[in-house]
Parts: sequence; structure tokens; C-alpha cells
Amino acid sequence: DSGVTQTPKHLITATGQRVTLRCSPRSGDLSVYWYQQSLDQGLQFLIQYYNGEERAKGNILERFSAQQFPDLHSELNLSSLELGDSALYFCASSYRRDPLDGYTFGSGTRLTVV
Amino acid sequence: KNQVEQSPQSLIILEGKNCTLQCNYTVSPFSNLRWYKQDTGRGPVSLTIMTFSENTKSNGRYTATLDADTKQSSLHITASQLSDSASYICVVSALYGGTSYGKLTFGQGTILTVHP
Repeated sequence: DSGVTQTPKHLITATGQRVTLRCSPRSGDLSVYWYQQSLDQGLQFLIQYYNGEERAKGNILERFSAQQFPDLHSELNLSSLELGDSALYFCASSYRRDPLDGYTFGSGTRLTVV
Repeated sequence: KNQVEQSPQSLIILEGKNCTLQCNYTVSPFSNLRWYKQDTGRGPVSLTIMTFSENTKSNGRYTATLDADTKQSSLHITASQLSDSASYICVVSALYGGTSYGKLTFGQGTILTVHP
């Protein structure tokens, strides 16, 4: 157990729908990062939050949004889902806002859009 | 454009054998380089992290090297085990304006399969 908790582990939904993925960072960590990993592709950085504020943005679609709450857990909202959004979504956390010393990944949420 | 290229794309070896995975990067200015192991369907787990001044770092049977001049890194696995079967991902961090902003560039990974 890495200490980073992601729920749900699996999610199956239809095109056009909206889903919310949840991440609880490791105890004491202030930064949360979201990544998308499509089949046979590398990890794509989506967005980072540090202590409740957006810190960095990657290749995140406008249909996707995220937030970090006062208790530091984070949610990734995916709307108007398309088949191509099917992927593993990983959350990672670190203590610092700049992960010089690396960060810890959760086990991921597998999203299947049908 | 910052890029990280890994080779080979996939590798099959027999249990007990050694292997070396390669990572070439064009990320600049360089901050640090990490190797992660990702089991199928699981989150990546950090193996090593190296900064500019480090040229080798070990973690058990895993040894990473870094040549900052040629912008190359390798991950050497000694006496492979079946549990080493996984994807190995090279991740390079860029340095901006005197602080490590943490902008990461991921390689596509090398899929290692260890057969008995």
C-alpha cells in the first residue's frame, strides 16, 4: 500500500456521461498530481494541485477539470466522455510543491467508456 | 521540445540473466532523472532518482547510471527474477528559473518479460 488511495478502482460508463475520480494523498503530502495512461501509451501529466491551488497544467482537455479540497483530497471530473477517454487514471502525491524527491503513485482508476 | 526516449521498447530475458535498459533525453535544463517500475495495472513505483552530480545509484539488484554530458541513463538489472516482469519508465525533470518546477517528461517505457 503506497498510502495514496484512489477510488473507484474500476469504472464503466457510457459515452456522453460524466464521472468523478477521487484521490486521497499520502498523509502529510500537500501536492496531488493527476496522470492519464492510455493503452500502450506512456503516462500523460494532466494537472497538479498544491495545498488547494492549481500549480501546473499539462495536457488536460477542457472537458476535464479537477480540484483539491481543504482536507487535501482531490477529485478529477471527466465530462462528455468519449471512447478515447478510456484509460488508467493515476493520482500521485508529494510533500513539496516541486517533487524533487519524487512522489508516490496510487493504484489507479481504470475507466472504460462504452 | 523536451523528450525522453527509451529503448528497447520491449525485452524478453530468461530468469537469472542480466539486462540493461536505456533512456536518452533532451530535457533542458536538467534537474533529475528517475526510474520507475510499473506492474501491469498498478501505479509506478520509484526505483532510483539521480541529480546532475550523481552518475550511479543502486537499489538492490537495480543499478542506474547517468551521463549528463551525453544525456543518457541506463538501468541495469542483475540476476533477474520473474517478479521483475514489468514496465520500466524513465522520467526526467526540468529545472526552471533556479527552482525545480517539477515539470516531468515521461518515457514510453520498456516492457520487460522474464521467463523461467
